[in-house]
Amino acid sequence: NAGVTQTPKFQVLKTGQSMTLQCAQDMNHNSMYWYRQDPGMGLRLIYYSASEGTTDKGEVPNGYNVSRLNKREFSLRLESAAPSQTSVYFCASSEVPARAYEQYFGPGTRLTVT
Amino acid sequence: QKEVEQDPGPLSVPEGAIVSLNCTYSNSAFQYFMWYRQYSRKGPELLMYTYSSGNKEDGRFTAQVDKSSKYISLFIRDSQPSDSATYLCAMMSYNQGGKLIFGQGTELSVKP
Repeated sequence: NAGVTQTPKFQVLKTGQSMTLQCAQDMNHNSMYWYRQDPGMGLRLIYYSASEGTTDKGEVPNGYNVSRLNKREFSLRLESAAPSQTSVYFCASSEVPARAYEQYFGPGTRLTVT
Repeated sequence: QKEVEQDPGPLSVPEGAIVSLNCTYSNSAFQYFMWYRQYSRKGPELLMYTYSSGNKEDGRFTAQVDKSSKYISLFIRDSQPSDSATYLCAMMSYNQGGKLIFGQGTELSVKP
Protein backbone atom coordinates (compact mmCIF):
# COMPACT_ATOMS: atom_id res chain seq x y z
CA ASN A 1 0.00 0.00 0.00
CA ALA A 2 1.69 3.17 -1.22
CA GLY A 3 -1.04 5.46 0.15
CA VAL A 4 -0.96 8.81 -1.67
CA THR A 5 1.76 9.35 -4.25
CA GLN A 6 2.69 12.59 -5.99
CA THR A 7 4.89 13.35 -8.98
CA PRO A 8 7.17 15.12 -9.48
CA LYS A 9 8.88 15.70 -6.12
CA PHE A 10 10.61 18.89 -7.29
CA GLN A 11 10.07 21.22 -10.23
CA VAL A 12 11.49 24.54 -11.40
CA LEU A 13 9.46 26.51 -13.92
CA LYS A 14 9.93 29.81 -15.69
CA THR A 15 7.16 32.38 -15.53
CA GLY A 16 4.50 31.57 -18.13
CA GLN A 17 5.31 27.86 -18.43
CA SER A 18 2.66 25.26 -17.73
CA MET A 19 2.80 21.98 -15.88
CA THR A 20 0.61 19.29 -14.34
CA LEU A 21 1.09 17.85 -10.87
CA GLN A 22 -0.03 14.25 -10.60
CA CYS A 23 -1.59 12.55 -7.59
CA ALA A 24 -2.80 8.99 -7.09
CA GLN A 25 -4.18 7.07 -4.11
CA ASP A 26 -4.60 3.33 -3.65
CA MET A 27 -6.92 3.37 -0.61
CA ASN A 28 -10.17 3.34 -2.62
CA HIS A 29 -11.02 6.77 -1.25
CA ASN A 30 -13.81 8.80 -2.78
CA SER A 31 -12.59 12.31 -1.93
CA MET A 32 -9.36 13.99 -2.97
CA TYR A 33 -7.86 17.41 -2.26
CA TRP A 34 -5.10 19.75 -3.43
CA TYR A 35 -3.43 22.14 -0.97
CA ARG A 36 -0.58 24.58 -1.09
CA GLN A 37 1.64 25.30 1.90
CA ASP A 38 3.49 28.60 2.27
CA PRO A 39 5.56 29.83 5.23
CA GLY A 40 3.34 31.42 7.87
CA MET A 41 0.16 30.53 5.98
CA GLY A 42 -0.48 26.91 6.92
CA LEU A 43 -2.21 24.68 4.37
CA ARG A 44 -4.74 26.29 2.05
CA LEU A 45 -7.20 24.30 -0.04
CA ILE A 46 -6.95 24.93 -3.79
CA TYR A 47 -9.52 22.47 -5.21
CA TYR A 48 -11.18 19.33 -4.03
CA SER A 49 -13.17 16.46 -5.48
CA ALA A 50 -15.84 15.03 -3.21
CA SER A 51 -16.29 12.02 -5.49
CA GLU A 52 -15.34 10.80 -8.95
CA GLY A 53 -16.77 13.17 -11.55
CA THR A 54 -17.07 16.21 -9.29
CA THR A 55 -14.67 19.04 -8.52
CA ASP A 56 -15.10 22.26 -6.57
CA LYS A 57 -13.09 25.34 -5.72
CA GLY A 58 -11.38 25.79 -2.40
CA GLU A 59 -9.93 28.86 -0.76
CA VAL A 60 -7.28 29.77 -3.39
CA PRO A 61 -8.31 28.38 -6.83
CA ASN A 62 -7.14 31.25 -9.08
CA GLY A 63 -4.46 30.21 -11.57
CA TYR A 64 -5.17 26.48 -11.21
CA ASN A 65 -7.31 23.81 -12.86
CA VAL A 66 -7.96 20.25 -11.79
CA SER A 67 -9.05 16.98 -13.35
CA ARG A 68 -10.43 13.98 -11.51
CA LEU A 69 -9.26 11.44 -14.05
CA ASN A 70 -10.79 8.44 -12.26
CA LYS A 71 -11.34 7.35 -8.67
CA ARG A 72 -7.60 6.97 -8.06
CA GLU A 73 -6.15 10.04 -9.77
CA PHE A 74 -6.53 13.79 -9.27
CA SER A 75 -4.27 16.18 -11.18
CA LEU A 76 -3.54 19.88 -10.69
CA ARG A 77 -2.59 22.05 -13.67
CA LEU A 78 -0.87 25.41 -13.74
CA GLU A 79 -1.62 26.91 -17.15
CA SER A 80 0.71 29.92 -16.93
CA ALA A 81 2.94 29.75 -13.88
CA ALA A 82 3.64 32.89 -11.83
CA PRO A 83 6.25 33.47 -9.09
CA SER A 84 3.36 33.73 -6.58
CA GLN A 85 2.72 30.04 -7.23
CA THR A 86 6.09 29.07 -5.74
CA SER A 87 5.02 26.76 -2.94
CA VAL A 88 4.87 23.20 -1.67
CA TYR A 89 1.84 21.38 -3.05
CA PHE A 90 0.18 18.51 -1.20
CA CYS A 91 -2.43 16.11 -2.43
CA ALA A 92 -4.65 14.35 0.11
CA SER A 93 -7.54 11.90 0.17
CA SER A 94 -10.31 10.85 2.53
CA GLU A 95 -12.75 7.97 2.49
CA VAL A 96 -15.79 10.22 1.99
CA PRO A 97 -16.45 13.97 2.49
CA ALA A 98 -18.02 13.32 5.90
CA ARG A 99 -14.69 11.82 7.02
CA ALA A 100 -12.64 14.71 5.64
CA TYR A 101 -11.28 15.18 9.17
CA GLU A 102 -9.13 12.11 8.49
CA GLN A 103 -7.12 12.99 5.43
CA TYR A 104 -4.09 11.12 4.16
CA PHE A 105 -1.43 13.28 2.59
CA GLY A 106 1.17 12.65 -0.07
CA PRO A 107 4.85 13.63 0.30
CA GLY A 108 4.44 16.93 -1.56
CA THR A 109 5.81 18.63 -4.68
CA ARG A 110 8.21 21.54 -4.19
CA LEU A 111 7.61 24.02 -7.02
CA THR A 112 9.73 27.08 -7.74
CA VAL A 113 8.66 29.59 -10.39
CA THR A 114 11.40 32.00 -11.49
CA GLN B 1 -8.84 38.07 10.70
CA LYS B 2 -8.09 34.44 9.90
CA GLU B 3 -10.70 31.84 10.82
CA VAL B 4 -8.07 29.82 12.69
CA GLU B 5 -5.10 31.36 14.51
CA GLN B 6 -2.08 29.44 15.74
CA ASP B 7 1.17 30.74 17.19
CA PRO B 8 3.88 29.67 14.72
CA GLY B 9 6.60 29.46 17.39
CA PRO B 10 9.23 28.10 17.16
CA LEU B 11 8.87 26.39 20.53
CA SER B 12 11.89 24.71 22.10
CA VAL B 13 11.60 22.50 25.19
CA PRO B 14 13.86 20.01 27.01
CA GLU B 15 13.15 16.30 26.75
CA GLY B 16 10.56 15.18 29.29
CA ALA B 17 8.75 18.54 29.42
CA ILE B 18 4.99 18.95 29.06
CA VAL B 19 4.17 20.80 25.85
CA SER B 20 1.04 22.87 25.30
CA LEU B 21 0.02 23.85 21.78
CA ASN B 22 -3.01 26.04 21.15
CA CYS B 23 -5.33 27.41 18.48
CA THR B 24 -8.18 29.87 18.54
CA TYR B 25 -10.96 30.12 15.99
CA SER B 26 -13.80 32.42 15.07
CA ASN B 27 -16.32 30.18 13.26
CA SER B 28 -18.78 28.71 15.75
CA ALA B 29 -20.00 26.23 13.10
CA PHE B 30 -16.84 24.11 13.38
CA GLN B 31 -17.67 20.64 14.70
CA TYR B 32 -14.49 18.62 14.19
CA PHE B 33 -11.14 19.65 15.62
CA MET B 34 -7.95 17.95 14.45
CA TRP B 35 -4.26 17.97 15.16
CA TYR B 36 -1.91 16.99 12.36
CA ARG B 37 1.83 16.41 12.80
CA GLN B 38 4.24 17.24 10.00
CA TYR B 39 7.87 16.16 10.04
CA SER B 40 10.36 18.22 8.05
CA ARG B 41 9.89 17.80 4.28
CA LYS B 42 7.03 15.31 4.74
CA GLY B 43 3.27 15.45 4.35
CA PRO B 44 1.06 16.03 7.41
CA GLU B 45 -0.38 13.01 9.24
CA LEU B 46 -3.42 12.95 11.47
CA LEU B 47 -2.52 12.73 15.15
CA MET B 48 -5.94 13.09 16.80
CA TYR B 49 -9.40 14.43 16.19
CA THR B 50 -12.22 15.48 18.52
CA TYR B 51 -15.88 15.90 17.73
CA SER B 52 -17.55 18.82 19.52
CA SER B 53 -16.29 19.69 23.01
CA GLY B 54 -14.32 17.78 25.58
CA ASN B 55 -11.06 15.92 26.00
CA LYS B 56 -9.52 13.02 24.16
CA GLU B 57 -6.43 11.13 25.24
CA ASP B 58 -4.14 8.89 23.21
CA GLY B 59 -1.00 7.78 24.99
CA ARG B 60 1.13 10.83 25.74
CA PHE B 61 -1.18 13.13 23.75
CA THR B 62 -4.33 14.88 25.03
CA ALA B 63 -6.56 17.08 22.89
CA GLN B 64 -8.95 19.56 24.51
CA VAL B 65 -11.74 21.58 22.93
CA ASP B 66 -13.48 24.49 24.63
CA LYS B 67 -16.23 25.62 22.25
CA SER B 68 -17.45 28.37 24.59
CA SER B 69 -14.04 30.06 24.35
CA LYS B 70 -13.37 28.91 20.75
CA TYR B 71 -10.05 27.49 21.91
CA ILE B 72 -8.39 24.12 21.36
CA SER B 73 -5.22 22.66 22.86
CA LEU B 74 -2.88 19.74 22.37
CA PHE B 75 -0.82 18.57 25.34
CA ILE B 76 2.20 16.33 24.96
CA ARG B 77 3.44 14.65 28.15
CA ASP B 78 7.00 13.38 28.61
CA SER B 79 8.04 14.96 25.32
CA GLN B 80 10.66 13.12 23.24
CA PRO B 81 13.10 14.32 20.58
CA SER B 82 11.02 12.28 18.11
CA ASP B 83 8.12 14.69 18.81
CA SER B 84 10.10 17.47 17.09
CA ALA B 85 7.87 18.48 14.19
CA THR B 86 5.36 21.11 13.11
CA TYR B 87 1.92 20.68 14.65
CA LEU B 88 -1.04 21.94 12.64
CA CYS B 89 -4.49 22.41 14.08
CA ALA B 90 -7.38 22.02 11.64
CA MET B 91 -11.13 22.44 11.87
CA MET B 92 -14.11 21.31 9.89
CA SER B 93 -17.79 22.07 9.64
CA TYR B 94 -19.76 19.25 8.07
CA ASN B 95 -22.16 21.63 6.30
CA GLN B 96 -19.20 23.28 4.52
CA GLY B 97 -18.62 20.18 2.43
CA GLY B 98 -15.96 18.71 4.67
CA LYS B 99 -13.37 21.34 3.84
CA LEU B 100 -10.60 21.68 6.43
CA ILE B 101 -9.35 25.04 7.64
CA PHE B 102 -5.79 24.84 8.95
CA GLY B 103 -3.88 26.99 11.40
CA GLN B 104 -0.42 28.24 10.46
CA GLY B 105 1.32 25.44 12.36
CA THR B 106 3.62 25.53 15.42
CA GLU B 107 7.20 24.34 15.02
CA LEU B 108 8.26 22.29 18.05
CA SER B 109 11.79 21.25 18.93
CA VAL B 110 12.44 18.84 21.83
CA LYS B 111 16.08 18.94 22.92
CA PRO B 112 17.72 15.81 24.41
